Amino acid sequence: GQNIDQPTEMTATEGAIVQINCTYQTSGFNGLFWYQQHAGEAPTFLSYNVLDGLEEKGRFSSFLSRSKGYSYLLLKELQMKDSASYLCACMDSNYQLIWGAGTKLIIKP
Amino acid sequence: GAVVSQHPSRVICKSGTSVKIECRSLDFQATTMFWYRQFPKQSLMLMATSNEGSKATYEQGVEKDKFLINHASLTLSTLTVTSAHPEDSSFYICSARDLDREAGGYTFGSGTRLTVV
Repeated sequence: GQNIDQPTEMTATEGAIVQINCTYQTSGFNGLFWYQQHAGEAPTFLSYNVLDGLEEKGRFSSFLSRSKGYSYLLLKELQMKDSASYLCACMDSNYQLIWGAGTKLIIKP
Repeated sequence: GAVVSQHPSRVICKSGTSVKIECRSLDFQATTMFWYRQFPKQSLMLMATSNEGSKATYEQGVEKDKFLINHASLTLSTLTVTSAHPEDSSFYICSARDLDREAGGYTFGSGTRLTVV
């Protein structure tokens, strides 16, 4: 079956670095997405990886290892506004998105 | 960039009535749109895939007669929750694919918070 696993909740300190991991098993693979979702709002796109390696975008970076079925989202210089849920999603062979349950990130001063 | 407009953002309705939610792609044509439902503290659950000019494809367990989807044009899909019940209260989000964009082209609407009383 298809499955996306990510931690339910993480806590980090303002100004620090946090890494949110995601492992996946899907029928085919056409890329992995990370989305940020604030409470009561729709998800917003953060990153897309389809090749192995690290993609850096400002304070956020995303890594993918296809052979390991593994990705992580790295957030640097954490700000209070980064408190949100972070959703990992894979696109399967039918180009359908399979969603993880999301990781709630709590930032403390 | 690609923009998806979803209306209304919030609606309260009485049990037994119907509610229509609209999803529009503003600057691109979307042959496929997706409708999701999200309950509190849970992830997005795909309800159905809306295809322009043809019937929607519903996920297992989603009642097609209760959640009517119409995708009459390349820029508009509607979801109608018929005979709404309190258990239908949820956050409904649409998504559309702009195939001309990189990264799979998925863009989300702002969501509709439905409360059935």
